[in-house]
Amino acid sequence: AQKVTQAQTEISVVEKEDVTLDCVYETRDTTYYLFWYKQPPSGELVFLIRRNSFDEQNEISGRYSWNFQKSTSSFNFTITASQVVDSAVYFCALSEAQGGSEKLVFGKGTKLTVNP
Amino acid sequence: AAGVIQSPRHLIKEKRETATLKCYPIPRHDTVYWYQQGPGQDPQFLISFYEKMQSDKGSIPDRFSAQQFSDYHSELNMSSLELGDSALYFCASSLGHAGNQPQHFGDGTRLSIL
Repeated sequence: AQKVTQAQTEISVVEKEDVTLDCVYETRDTTYYLFWYKQPPSGELVFLIRRNSFDEQNEISGRYSWNFQKSTSSFNFTITASQVVDSAVYFCALSEAQGGSEKLVFGKGTKLTVNP
Repeated sequence: AAGVIQSPRHLIKEKRETATLKCYPIPRHDTVYWYQQGPGQDPQFLISFYEKMQSDKGSIPDRFSAQQFSDYHSELNMSSLELGDSALYFCASSLGHAGNQPQHFGDGTRLSIL
């Protein structure tokens, strides 16, 4: 069965600090997809990144970077030089490609507060 | 760029009433998903449609039903509403349903049951 664990419930940092959000997943499939979504206080879910199970290259997009390690079943998200606008709940999610089940299974989310 | 449109944005109902939530996917997207997010919870998958056919089903109560129409928009019908149905309901759309395409979410419908 699919499972996503985000052990950090809440993180509070001061602006300009770097912060890493952890995500550990469980799946029996060899082909799967990992996602990160941002949910700001306004409530919408914003897609950040998708990574497939065959691509372990790390990715960087501006101040955001992602570290995917199959050996530890982890897909961690780092924000460099955090800003107040980064304050939000961040969800890691998993989708399996096999079995016809394309639903997203979300972790419980990590609430990030960036203080000025 | 066009996004997923959900209506209404807010809805207030009383117990035992019915509600209909609407979702208009991104143009050319053929797959629609519905999720329910309770207060302080993560989104939970309810149901999905691909090319107007139900493709997957999650923890959707029997009191709820949904369909996807010929123009690809979808409606979630909820009957005999209960207090526990108060939640944020998201619709998402994607191109294809193999799980490898990102699901783009609408802004959600906030349903409050009094």
